[in-house]
Amino acid sequence: DAKTTQPDSMESTEGETVHLPCSHATISGNEYIYWYRQVPLQGPEYVTHGLQQNTTNSMAFLAIASDRKSSTLILPHVSLRDAAVYHCILRVATGGNNKLTFGQGTVLSVIP
Amino acid sequence: AQTIHQWPVAEIKAVGSPLSLGCTIKGKSSPNLYWYWQATGGTLQQLFYSITVGQVESVVQLNLSASRPKDDQFILSTEKLLLSHSGFYLCAWSSQGWDTQYFGPGTRLLVL
Repeated sequence: DAKTTQPDSMESTEGETVHLPCSHATISGNEYIYWYRQVPLQGPEYVTHGLQQNTTNSMAFLAIASDRKSSTLILPHVSLRDAAVYHCILRVATGGNNKLTFGQGTVLSVIP
Repeated sequence: AQTIHQWPVAEIKAVGSPLSLGCTIKGKSSPNLYWYWQATGGTLQQLFYSITVGQVESVVQLNLSASRPKDDQFILSTEKLLLSHSGFYLCAWSSQGWDTQYFGPGTRLLVL
């Protein structure tokens, strides 16, 4: 799977909208962009994913650049519960092994 | 709704002792199952995956083994623990090989 680049850390204040960037310059046409978040001593939580079009769900909005070489996870009105490590992962949608390759991710801190 | 349960929640074991960690999925038939491991301060690595009962594929060699005795159960084990086995073990499931993975709460293991 292709590599992603994320900032090591970001900080926000409660109630603000946070934009978490992810660069994936060598993404292949069949690779999906997945976002998970993880707090210490808990399993990763699925946030959202997309292939080409922007997507939205109850947790976040995923904006994907038209050339697919970057994406941004947008978290509206963050709360303290949104403080976590956010992982941007590329994955080929094939059968068999569904391997997720996690990096260090972006540590999001939320200030009251 | 599907639920994933891991046991035990935490373990402290001696070097050289055996280990057995379990994972159970409820509410989903014939899931794909996965074991991941995260060393303290490290990134998540996939260890094993299974697409059906009795079939397990190894991804990373860490002197561990895995088995899938039932459709809804995945077991991680070893006969002799090493200090390097300490960390956080996570079980995950997906509907199909290409589908979103959902993680369990994890088991913390400390080997002394």
